[in-house]
Amino acid sequence: QQQVKQSPQSLIVQKGGIPIINCAYENTAFDYFPWYQQFPGKGPALLIAIRPDVSEKKEGRFTISFNKSAKQFSLHIMDSQPGDSATYFCAANFGNEKLTFGTGTRLTIIP
Amino acid sequence: DTEVTQTPKHLVMGMTNKKSLKCEQHMGHRAMYWYKQKAKKPPELMFVYSYEKLSINESVPSRFSPECPNSSLLNLHLHALQPEDSALYLCASSRQLAVSYEQYFGPGTRLTVT
Repeated sequence: QQQVKQSPQSLIVQKGGIPIINCAYENTAFDYFPWYQQFPGKGPALLIAIRPDVSEKKEGRFTISFNKSAKQFSLHIMDSQPGDSATYFCAANFGNEKLTFGTGTRLTIIP
Repeated sequence: DTEVTQTPKHLVMGMTNKKSLKCEQHMGHRAMYWYKQKAKKPPELMFVYSYEKLSINESVPSRFSPECPNSSLLNLHLHALQPEDSALYLCASSRQLAVSYEQYFGPGTRLTVT
């Protein structure tokens, strides 16, 4: 019940395309859903986060869509660039200390 | 400023060595975390400190010993490590526990145990 399932494991998209990464959770107590971007050899960087009282949040080219009834959330990257090539982790939390991470998606944007 | 700093960036140590990893944040956060990350895997929580007191120990072997000297600093003391302990060690901080706030990660220390 603590798991967050993330898909796909890897994704290759042409520059300018819109990669979409999906996550699903079981624990309805989760109340905070962040996405992290991680480049090789670096720490995860907080990209964008959403709480379940909204269905969508945009920050620049990054959008989170949240479906509370389906217990799913996804990350969309508009006008993707080669510099967006990284590993993306979704995560979930429910007011305690422990972030539950998805398994990660390795995204490659080809020119 | 959402910066968490970690030193050293890289560390190579033998199995009989004692070394320490350091983490610092000046955001006024009262919760600090140690994570371990293996290649191509998500971070795994090791320890959580809340208001300088150990709040969570995720059944981590005693060869890893955390310390929180003050609200801005977090150390991880290493002793008698095994080669399988080689990983990226990440420090993170958040405003406080009990409420879901953003966790900010440092750049990590790449540890190699020989």
